[in-house]
Amino acid sequence: DAGITQSPRYKITETGRQVTLMCHQTWSHSYMFWYRQDLGHGLRLIYYSAAADITDKGEVPDGYVVSRSKTENFPLTLESATRSQTSVYFCASRVGQGVDEQFFGPGTRLTVL
Amino acid sequence: ILNVEQSPQSLHVQEGDSTNFTCSFPSSNFYALHWYRWETAKSPEALFVMTLNGDEKKKGRISATLNTKEGYSYLYIKGSQPEDSATYLCALWDAGNMLTFGGGTRLMVKP
Repeated sequence: DAGITQSPRYKITETGRQVTLMCHQTWSHSYMFWYRQDLGHGLRLIYYSAAADITDKGEVPDGYVVSRSKTENFPLTLESATRSQTSVYFCASRVGQGVDEQFFGPGTRLTVL
Repeated sequence: ILNVEQSPQSLHVQEGDSTNFTCSFPSSNFYALHWYRWETAKSPEALFVMTLNGDEKKKGRISATLNTKEGYSYLYIKGSQPEDSATYLCALWDAGNMLTFGGGTRLMVKP
């Protein structure tokens, strides 16, 4: 199916483990984003990518790593998960500049014990 | 960091009431404004992208207006229904790579 998908949808892990959240879009959008949803903070941008092999930090990048070797995929890795990274993570994509609609994936609920 | 503010933070209305809420942003940074509808346990869904001063957009019972000179946008919902219960987000594009989101207005419509 066309669109933007995330996997897994739910994940429970332990402190110190490495976790990778996957994001895949079928539109060939240039821009992709990772956000986290936190109570009292709304949506906060972790990392974004303007094109394959181009990534940049957002508001809260510490503890996260991203890569974008292919236009359609934008994985987010927590190198050593901490309890403070328990959150709902949303991937989003946009065809180009900010006059274009930005589409969000369904989200991944991550719990770090 | 741009300051995008939404008010009120939350709003309770009765079914059938019409309601509106505000998104304020620095007018000097304006290039586009996005509105999203975000239901609990789902992902944000785009409603409108607005770029021109005086712009008015409509989708069903939901409409939005834009004043770029004074830096605000209003979202109106006519005849609110329980299914309109959601958080409504606005986001400013300032010609950079990212959108700056407001904190959202949480709307609860009582049957």
